[in-house]
Amino acid sequence: NAGVTQTPKFQVLKTGQSMTLQCAQDMNHEYMSWYRQDPGMGLRLIHYSVGAGITDQGEVPNGYNVSRSTTEDFPLRLLSAAPSQTSVYFCASSYRDRGAYEQYFGPGTRLTVT
Amino acid sequence: KQEVTQIPAALSVPEGENLVLNCSFTDSAIYNLQWFRQDPGKGLTSLLLIQSSQREQTSGRLNASLDKSSGRSTLYIAASQPGDSATYLCAPSTGGFKTIFGAGTRLFVKA
Repeated sequence: NAGVTQTPKFQVLKTGQSMTLQCAQDMNHEYMSWYRQDPGMGLRLIHYSVGAGITDQGEVPNGYNVSRSTTEDFPLRLLSAAPSQTSVYFCASSYRDRGAYEQYFGPGTRLTVT
Repeated sequence: KQEVTQIPAALSVPEGENLVLNCSFTDSAIYNLQWFRQDPGKGLTSLLLIQSSQREQTSGRLNASLDKSSGRSTLYIAASQPGDSATYLCAPSTGGFKTIFGAGTRLFVKA
């Protein structure tokens, strides 16, 4: 299993550009999430999905869109990049096993918006 | 709303010391709590997962305890080594996506 994969690893955007961060998992997990991590702060939830076709907002959703057409893929779209979106983005997947939800994380995408 | 606090924010110890990292959370209705390790510029590596019905979990030199009713978890690292230097994150989960992270404890172990 490759686990959770993310592409690209690094990206530089100009203000106003749009792009999609890719996330895929091959573990057949039902739950997938996107987080951002800023210096000195914990991870903050952007959007999440509880299954194919179902998505919802986390605590910091503004400026981002998601969709989940398959169990495996959960792309994150930046509609019009802003410097405040400079961050490291992590994708995670999880499933329920004996009452617990263990999260598996991708390696992250480091995004800089100039 | 779940809030997670990790104390201390940073810790520097000489090699060989036993140490304790603390995590407190406000919503005790959790399914489980995970401890992660993050090296600079890297992703998160899961260290231990404690289910809500468990009191502790052990893996090698690591031992994590959970007191759900008081909203506390501790991560105990025995005989610390320079390779343990990293940021440690506590993450209680109230559902598959409802995981809130603390800001972490930055650990530096001096040789």
